[in-house]
Amino acid sequence: EAQVTQNPRYLITVTGKKLTVTCSQNMNHEYMSWYRQDPGLGLRQIYYSMNVEVTDKGDVPEGYKVSRKEKRNFPLILESPSPNQTSLYFCASSLSGSRTDTQYFGPGTRLTVL
Amino acid sequence: AQKVTQAQTEISVVEKEDVTLDCVYETRDTTYYLFWYKQPPSGELVFLIRRNSFDEQNEISGRYSWNFQKSTSSFNFTITASQVVDSAVYFCALSEFIIQGAQKLVFGQGTRLTINP
Repeated sequence: EAQVTQNPRYLITVTGKKLTVTCSQNMNHEYMSWYRQDPGLGLRQIYYSMNVEVTDKGDVPEGYKVSRKEKRNFPLILESPSPNQTSLYFCASSLSGSRTDTQYFGPGTRLTVL
Repeated sequence: AQKVTQAQTEISVVEKEDVTLDCVYETRDTTYYLFWYKQPPSGELVFLIRRNSFDEQNEISGRYSWNFQKSTSSFNFTITASQVVDSAVYFCALSEFIIQGAQKLVFGQGTRLTINP
């Protein structure tokens, strides 16, 4: 089944404790991105990746890092999480970064930083 | 910058009623792409439809239909004979060019639809 998977689905952590949210897709998509969803602010892009080893900042990149060492994986790293990073995070992938291509989303990761 | 407006924050109807979710967009592009996504209570984002600006034909998929009107910059979504399982937050979105090879989705604020039995 074609899908985007994320782990963990739920995470409660404390300020400053490094964490990684994994994202994997099995559709051989080139383009992947991370969004966060916050009440009143909607969904905003954090980072995106056009291909292996090609990543760039989205609209809200502060406090996050990403890497793309393999085509299928695009982990989101929070080196020193803070309470304002409490949010619902989505990984998405599409065939390419063209506007014509549909982005398919993972199931989401609900992160709480205490 | 592009913008998507979903003026209806919440809608509540009784099962079997028809319901229309409004979406109005702003863009300076002559060619653009619109999307609808569904977010059920479980939280995931499910793709429903993509519409190209140069194709003004309306689309129907079972009980779902979409009315695209360029003249009013609207892309409305209608559910016919609604069911409890249709309860979800629905997002309208527009894809925006970042640089060659990169895009992002600009989402509306979403409409929370509740179907009561």
